[in-house]
Amino acid sequence: AQSVTQLDSQVPVFEEAPVELRCNYSSSVSVYLFWYVQYPNQGLQLLLKYLSGSTLVKGINGFEAEFNKSQTSFHLRKPSVHISDTAEYFCAGGVSGGYNKLIFGAGTRLAVHP
Amino acid sequence: DAGVIQSPRHEVTEMGQEVTLRCKPISGHDYLFWYRQTMMRGLELLIYFNNNVPIDDSGMPEDRFSAKMPNASFSTLKIQPSEPRDSAVYFCASSSTVNTEAFFGQGTRLTVV
Repeated sequence: AQSVTQLDSQVPVFEEAPVELRCNYSSSVSVYLFWYVQYPNQGLQLLLKYLSGSTLVKGINGFEAEFNKSQTSFHLRKPSVHISDTAEYFCAGGVSGGYNKLIFGAGTRLAVHP
Repeated sequence: DAGVIQSPRHEVTEMGQEVTLRCKPISGHDYLFWYRQTMMRGLELLIYFNNNVPIDDSGMPEDRFSAKMPNASFSTLKIQPSEPRDSAVYFCASSSTVNTEAFFGQGTRLTVV
């Protein structure tokens, strides 16, 4: 069965420090992977996506993620965070071909402290 | 395009009442998704449509929940009768294909008292 696991429910970090939010997926076929961000009282906004090609994907707001097929991971990173990055981050994945639904992880709350 | 539009943004209703949530997807998108977000269960896919046809409704929690998509520009999620445990934020999303990015609406915060 297809699943997406976010390994940390909360990640506290100081401003200007680097951060990594971890995501693992479970699938035996080709996958599509996404990271979304949700600010308080808002809908989800796409940060970046991996469909194929280069395994290092750059997104908005200075975020990037690396698709690692051998480790079935798609961790999100940012070298220096800002207070404004405080939000909930969701990893999501889908299986290619046919009618397949996008599965979301449980979310990771990133709290950036001054 | 104005993005995915949901209405109302907030809904407070009494237990036992019928609730209807509305969604207008992005023009040209042929997939539409309904999600429910709660603290306990996170983001759950309830149902999704392709070309107005329901494809997978396995996430719909009970028969009290129903969803329709009468045309390409409109969908409803109805709860009848509503219960306090239905309180959540309901999101609608649309995409041009099922495996590309989904664009989310602002959500409807439902409170059943």
